Amino acid sequence: DAKTTQPPSMDCAEGRAANLPCNHSTISGNEYVYWYRQIHSQGPQYIIHGLKNNETNEMASLIITEDRKSSTLILPHATLRDTAVYYCIVRVAYNTDKLIFGTGTRLQVFP
Amino acid sequence: EPEVTQTPSHQVTQMGQEVILRCVPISNHLYFYWYRQILGQKVEFLVSFYNNEISEKSEIFDDQFSVERPDGSNFTLKIRSTKLEDSAMYFCASNLRANEKLFFGSGTQLSVL
Repeated sequence: DAKTTQPPSMDCAEGRAANLPCNHSTISGNEYVYWYRQIHSQGPQYIIHGLKNNETNEMASLIITEDRKSSTLILPHATLRDTAVYYCIVRVAYNTDKLIFGTGTRLQVFP
Repeated sequence: EPEVTQTPSHQVTQMGQEVILRCVPISNHLYFYWYRQILGQKVEFLVSFYNNEISEKSEIFDDQFSVERPDGSNFTLKIRSTKLEDSAMYFCASNLRANEKLFFGSGTQLSVL
């Protein structure tokens, strides 16, 4: 699976959009981009995933660049409860069951 | 929303003892997983399980580890002879189909003394 690079930490004011970048320059054509988050020491929580089109759900939006070498997770109106570690994971669908977690981005939302 | 349930939330054991960590996956899910996270470190994949057999396992998952689905609802992780380095938070996860989003439990904190 392709390696990802994320900034170790970011801050965001409550109510503002949080934009979390991820670089995956070695991504292959059949690899998906997944985002999970981990609040404190709880179990990871799925947020969103995509292949090449932008995706949106009730939690977030995922913007993938045209060359697919990077993506951005957008939390449109961050709340204090969004403070967590956010993981960008690239994996091949139908190839392996496992998720390989990196160190992620620690997002701190402040009042 | 349905949840993956793990018990106990904390488990303390002596080195060399056997422990069983229990999980109740979401009821209609077919794929089951164990991950662990040593304090301050990354979340690590241990094993995946489908159709009553292991489908994939990591190097961490050695002969001291085993998994079982003893009935239609429980999924267990057994560590035969615990070591100090097995101290970690253990997460169970499940999904309905392979490669769909995983639902994780809240974890069991295992402390080996």
